Amino acid sequence: GQQVMQIPQYQHVQEGEDFTTYCNSSTTLSNIQWYKQRPGGHPVFLIQLVKSGEVKKQKRLTFQFGEAKKNSSLHITATQTTDVGTYFCAASGTYKYIFGTGTRLKVLA
Amino acid sequence: DGGITQSPKYLFRKEGQNVTLSCEQNLNHDAMYWYRQDPGQGLRLIYYSQIVNDFQKGDIAEGYSVSREKKESFPLTVTSAQKNPTAFYLCASTQGTGANVLTFGAGSRLTVL
Repeated sequence: GQQVMQIPQYQHVQEGEDFTTYCNSSTTLSNIQWYKQRPGGHPVFLIQLVKSGEVKKQKRLTFQFGEAKKNSSLHITATQTTDVGTYFCAASGTYKYIFGTGTRLKVLA
Repeated sequence: DGGITQSPKYLFRKEGQNVTLSCEQNLNHDAMYWYRQDPGQGLRLIYYSQIVNDFQKGDIAEGYSVSREKKESFPLTVTSAQKNPTAFYLCASTQGTGANVLTFGAGSRLTVL
């Protein structure tokens, strides 16, 4: 079945450093969503990308969808302690959602 | 405020016992989902339901059962047949078809003693 790989699994950064997580699929995706899960919390929707080569920004977060629609990335500029959590990508179909394994971000103050 | 309510938040169970996790939503969403999350792992789909009285198995349905008698409710039963039930269980819902946003409940943490 379809799989979505996400790297790295863990990332520790100093506060103020940048952070990037990558999501890769062996098949072409119709769209990709990104979620954030704070420690002890539940996933919360961040953004959805649909178009080939699409780039969207939310303050310090930049999301990209690859030209071939097989990969995506989330980049955080100048991390803050509030960015701590696990970031998941998810490929969605009509009703099923395939989640990546997640990248756990720890920000050291 | 609209949302998804899961209960209980924490649950302890002895081996061999069935346990039912509640999931209620007041978002008027059509589709509902159950995911399992293990420590440091991603989310794995257990069951999903597109409409009332209909549901489909996900990737790890063995040892679990669900029902969808009402649009608002999608309870999950973890049966004694589930070999390793200790996990964090997340219920979610979406509005209709297509690439819609998943709204999650706060989760239920099940520990088998």
